[in-house]
Amino acid sequence: DGGITQSPKYLFRKEGQNVTLSCEQNLNHDAMYWYRQDPGQGLRLIYYSQIVNDFQKGDIAEGYSVSREKKESFPLTVTSAQKNPTAFYLCASRERGAQHEQFFGPGTRLTVL
Amino acid sequence: GQSLEQPSEVTAVEGAIVQINCTYQTSGFYGLSWYQQHDGGAPTFLSYNALDGLEETGRFSSFLSRSDSYGYLLLQELQMKDSASYFCACPYSSSASKIIFGSGTRLSIRP
Repeated sequence: DGGITQSPKYLFRKEGQNVTLSCEQNLNHDAMYWYRQDPGQGLRLIYYSQIVNDFQKGDIAEGYSVSREKKESFPLTVTSAQKNPTAFYLCASRERGAQHEQFFGPGTRLTVL
Repeated sequence: GQSLEQPSEVTAVEGAIVQINCTYQTSGFYGLSWYQQHDGGAPTFLSYNALDGLEETGRFSSFLSRSDSYGYLLLQELQMKDSASYFCACPYSSSASKIIFGSGTRLSIRP
């Protein structure tokens, strides 16, 4: 079955540590996205990538970094520079030409202790 | 800038009909989408309107009026499992490669 997987589902981190969230898709989609969602809020775009080896900052990129070395993978690193990293992180992908529809992974809930 | 406005909460009765409104302001318009998200889960795509009018998908329908920068999601024959948050969303940017989401409407359904 095609889809998007994110791991881990829950992640705890000590303040000052970097942590990497995994996102893998087997939908053969070119574009991939990372969003942050805070309680009772909408989704805010962190980074996105339209093709391999290329990515752009979204609206809240500070304190985050990404890479896109393979079409299937788009990992997100939450660095110690991110002031308030506790949130629900969602990865998504989109088929070329289908701007209106994104497919989401199950999400990773990150808690900073 | 880009923005979408929708009510934060709506309450309805099981079996009834409910309408969730969305007004948008975007530079360049590529259509209006709707997503459903259950607590703790991932958003899932429900419907999309590129042109004015009503799109029907089973119990869910979505409407768009581009002249009014307005759309709505209509849910009929409400079931308890429809309790969730609903987001309107617009593709934007020069290549419509990004999507902006509204802040979401939490739908609570009473028996």
